[in-house]
Amino acid sequence: EDQVTQSPEALRLQEGESSSLNCSYTVSGLRGLFWYRQDPGKGPEFLFTLYSAGEEKEKERLKATLTKKESFLHITAPKPEDSATYLCAAGGATNKLIFGTGTLLAVQP
Amino acid sequence: DAGVTQSPTHLIKTRGQHVTLRCSPISGHKSVSWYQQVLGQGPQFIFQYYEKEERGRGNFPDRFSARQFPNYSSELNVNALLLGDSALYLCASSLGPGTDTQYFGPGTRLTVL
Repeated sequence: EDQVTQSPEALRLQEGESSSLNCSYTVSGLRGLFWYRQDPGKGPEFLFTLYSAGEEKEKERLKATLTKKESFLHITAPKPEDSATYLCAAGGATNKLIFGTGTLLAVQP
Repeated sequence: DAGVTQSPTHLIKTRGQHVTLRCSPISGHKSVSWYQQVLGQGPQFIFQYYEKEERGRGNFPDRFSARQFPNYSSELNVNALLLGDSALYLCASSLGPGTDTQYFGPGTRLTVL
């Protein structure tokens, strides 16, 4: 069965303290791995799409990487405004995205 | 540029009632997908439509139905509401079907009492 697992469930960082979020996936015929940011009570905001193992994408303090079994979202020198839930989703052979439960990130000043 | 829009923002219904949620995709996008997000969980896929045809259906009961109109906007209908249907309902649009990058709207918060 297709599945996406994110870890940790929650992460508390000090401002400037870099870290990584993990997304493990088991999806038949992966067509894309997606990262979103979600603020409380709002819709997910698109961050990155990765299509093949070895691919990397960067945006400001965020960098996403992809291997054949997992993806990482690296956060460099985070700021309090980076606090949010980060969602990972995998698209496979079916026409749907399978989401993980997210990592709740809190960055303290 | 306008993003995905959804209406209403919030909705309160009682058990057994029916609800219709609406979504307008990003201009130029022809595919709309619907997701249900329960508090503390990731979004769960309900439907995908492309060019007015259903292209995917998630594991939801027949009480859930949807349709897409010629202007690519979409409606999600839920009949015989249950307490467990309380959730944030998200609409996402993409250029095409399948797993093109999907852009989400702000959601409709449904509360069933």
